[in-house]
Amino acid sequence: QSALTQPASVSGSPGQSITISCTGTSSDVGGYNYVSWYQQHPGKAPKLMIYDVSNRPSGVSYRFSGSKSGNTASLTISGLQAEDEADYYCSSYTSSSTQVFGTGTKVTVL
Amino acid sequence: EVQLVESGGGLVQPGGSLRLSCAASGFTFSSYAMNWVRQAPGKGLEWVSAISGSGGSTYYADSVKGRFTISRDNSKNTLYLQMNSLRAEDTALYYCTKDLTYCTGGSCYSKNAFDIWGQGTMVTVSS
Repeated sequence: QSALTQPASVSGSPGQSITISCTGTSSDVGGYNYVSWYQQHPGKAPKLMIYDVSNRPSGVSYRFSGSKSGNTASLTISGLQAEDEADYYCSSYTSSSTQVFGTGTKVTVL
Repeated sequence: EVQLVESGGGLVQPGGSLRLSCAASGFTFSSYAMNWVRQAPGKGLEWVSAISGSGGSTYYADSVKGRFTISRDNSKNTLYLQMNSLRAEDTALYYCTKDLTYCTGGSCYSKNAFDIWGQGTMVTVSS
């Protein structure tokens, strides 16, 4: 199972919006609405930010939103803040009843 | 408080074995599927294995199939990962994660997402 493809890095200024893409295949991202997104700060465990493509767990800021079109899912962070600087990973359920993560994206707040 | 605490990591020689444990608290352990996810130093996340709440169903990444075995003891609220034939590429921080589950009408459904993570236990495979 190959990792989902994410851009290595994305940057933006405070207050701006950025979008991170996550590209898979019809056997994972395109085939199921089980795409999730995780935020990981240095030295910390990942934190669930989005599940089921676009749902936010309780406590996650409304500034984080998710969507999907075909084999590509996206995470948008609006009103970028310094605390959003972190690594972000997408994940998807697969046709093999397994999970696959994305390659990861480093978000930098300029 | 919902909590996962991993243990059992350490330094092991190539070809050796190690068993990781994950102690769960703050939720009804047997009601939830559980997973192991690993992260090599400076690298991304890699899903390793999953087990259903009853323990009757298990799933593995191709990279560990035939070498790793996931199991659970619901009476002890503990998840395990038995790792055999270890390789240098298995060197990583191993996280225990709880499956996000939605329950309605007496039935529960996995959301195939990981809502609770432990702090991880480091496994180093080196001679």
